[in-house]
Amino acid sequence: EAGVAQSPRYKIIEKRQSVAFWCNPISGHATLYWYQQILGQGPKLLIQFQNNGVVDDSQLPKDRFSAERLKGVDSTLKIQPAKLEDSAVYLCASSSMTDGNTIYFGEGSWLTVV
Amino acid sequence: QKEVEQNSGPLSVPEGAIASLNCTYSDRGSQSFFWYRQYSGKSPELIMSIYSNGDKEDGRFTAQLNKASQYVSLLIRDSQPSDSATYLCAVDTDKLIFGTGTRLQVFP
Repeated sequence: EAGVAQSPRYKIIEKRQSVAFWCNPISGHATLYWYQQILGQGPKLLIQFQNNGVVDDSQLPKDRFSAERLKGVDSTLKIQPAKLEDSAVYLCASSSMTDGNTIYFGEGSWLTVV
Repeated sequence: QKEVEQNSGPLSVPEGAIASLNCTYSDRGSQSFFWYRQYSGKSPELIMSIYSNGDKEDGRFTAQLNKASQYVSLLIRDSQPSDSATYLCAVDTDKLIFGTGTRLQVFP
């Protein structure tokens, strides 16, 4: 079974530029998550989707971050404009009720803002 | 603010010893608890989940949960150098909250 796919794996941008990350969850997983993991910290939930609806986006900095999951499958996370403190790994994850809601992570997209 | 607390380490143990990793959480309503392992430069992978008080064993790993004390731990028996990684405790309240992780070093 294919895992959670993410791209790009690495991205370096200058502050105030924009960046977009793409995620394709495990087939059949209704729930999709975007986490931000800053070096030395645990992952922090940015947004959670159930199918194409937002369940929780309370920690998403909405002035600069946006995410969508239009068809209930793959998702895009966008940052515009980027700040230095956005340098982190952006982890996409998915889960399914049929698997006890176990969360499976993708390999992550590493962002460096210079 | 719901929190999950872990000692950042590093926790250094010799090969073959038992590694004990601890985690406390603030939300008494939490029902599900997870341990993830994260190798440097990699994404977290699930090791254990535990939902009820007591011990749950899976191979060399044992998760222990004490809801009254709001405490969950992970024991790794016969530690191997390949166990060297950061171990993340995660607690499911209304969303999954991760601790900062404990870095484990197993030396030969």
